[in-house]
Amino acid sequence: GNSVTQMEGPVTLSEEAFLTINCTYTATGYPSLFWYVQYPGEGLQLLLKATKADDKGSNKGFEATYRKETTSFHLEKGSVQVSDSAVYFCALSAGREYGNKLVFGAGTILRVKS
Amino acid sequence: DAMVIQNPRYQVTQFGKPVTLSCSQTLNHNVMYWYQQKSSQAPKLLFHYYDKDFNNEADTPDNFQSRRPNTSFCFLDIRSPGLGDAAMYLCATSSGLTSTRHTFGSGTRLTVV
Repeated sequence: GNSVTQMEGPVTLSEEAFLTINCTYTATGYPSLFWYVQYPGEGLQLLLKATKADDKGSNKGFEATYRKETTSFHLEKGSVQVSDSAVYFCALSAGREYGNKLVFGAGTILRVKS
Repeated sequence: DAMVIQNPRYQVTQFGKPVTLSCSQTLNHNVMYWYQQKSSQAPKLLFHYYDKDFNNEADTPDNFQSRRPNTSFCFLDIRSPGLGDAAMYLCATSSGLTSTRHTFGSGTRLTVV
C-alpha cells in the first residue's frame, strides 16, 4: 500500500540554522510528492511538490528532491527563520485509481528560536 | 481570489447531536475531498466526490455522511457525534483525477461536549 514516514519531532533550531526533515515513502507506481505546512489553527498550505524522479521542488528557500532510488523526499532549508515555526507534512498522491487522495506522514513540528 | 471556504471555523456540538460542516469553492474544481485531522495526527481522507460520484474510504465510520448538491458546495454530516469525533475537518479540491494538486480550506475545528 501507500505510506509516508517522516522524522519525528519536535525539531528545535536556532534562527539561521540549517534544516533537514527526512521523508521516505512506499508506493505502487510513481506518485507525486508534496510538502505541506500547517500553522497553528490553520489549514494546510502547499509548500512545494515534485512529480517525477530527480525533480526538485522549491519555494520560499525550502527545497526537496524526488529520489526514486532511495524513495525519499527530504525537506531542506539553508537558514531557518522564527516565522518558519510550524508543522510540516510530507505527502504523496495515491494515484488516479484512489481519486488522487493524499496520504500524509505524521507531521514534524519545527520550532525556531531567535 | 478563487478559493476554498469552510464555515464555520469553529463548531461546538453536543454529544449525539447531528452537526453539518460546509465547504464551498470558487475554483470550479471537479473533485472535493473531506479529511479528518485529529490532534497531533496526520490528516486522513474520509471520502471524496468526483462530480456527483461519491467515493467513501473503506474505514470511514457510517456516522459520517456527505452531500454535494452542486459543483460549488459540499457538506459533511456527522449523524451522532461522539467525543472521538473532535477534530479539525479539512475540505480540499482538485481540478480532476489527473491533477494531483489539492487546494485546502482553512478547516473547521469541531469540539464535542
